[in-house]
Amino acid sequence: ETGVTQTPRHLVMGMTNKKSLKCEQHLGHNAMYWYKQSAKKPLELMFVYSLEERVENNSVPSRFSPECPNSSHLFLHLHTLQPEDSALYLCASSLQFPSKNIQYFGAGTRLSVL
Amino acid sequence: SQQGEEDPQALSIQEGENATMNCSYKTSINNLQWYRQNSGRGLVHLILIRSNEREKHSGRLRVTLDTSKKSSSLLITASRAADTASYFCATANTGNQFYFGTGTSLTVIP
Repeated sequence: ETGVTQTPRHLVMGMTNKKSLKCEQHLGHNAMYWYKQSAKKPLELMFVYSLEERVENNSVPSRFSPECPNSSHLFLHLHTLQPEDSALYLCASSLQFPSKNIQYFGAGTRLSVL
Repeated sequence: SQQGEEDPQALSIQEGENATMNCSYKTSINNLQWYRQNSGRGLVHLILIRSNEREKHSGRLRVTLDTSKKSSSLLITASRAADTASYFCATANTGNQFYFGTGTSLTVIP
């Protein structure tokens, strides 16, 4: 148990659906991250929030929309996804950003887009 | 690419043997970290080595860092079936950016 909880663990959605991924941490960390992990590819950093402000957005399509209502919660809103968006989506947190520190990961949400 | 690259991509050994994985990177770093990922799960931090350190130990893990060669290695001694997982290096560079490599998939055969 890393202290970072992601829900749901699995999600199947059609290309026209709207869904949200949730991440929660109670480690007192100030930075939270969304990563995408596809087979045989490095982890792709999608978004970074520091003190509830988005500080990094790595050319992610607008069909992915992050939200950080407070320092403990992070959401990833999904709409009109494509089959190539199927992947494991990982949330992480660290004490601060920029991060030279250890990142703590959730177990991930396995997303399948049909 | 600025990411670390692990070598080999896949490694299969017998229980009790040692496993060595290597990581190469391209930019100057503040520290290098190794993470482990069990199938379909999140990453778990194993060990952090700072740029001014050359070797670090944690239990059965030994990490070395050679900044002149921009490379690191992770040694797992006396491997166990439970060590089966993917192992990733991650570099925190002097520009405060953080990059993960592609990982080494380790299989330990009982």
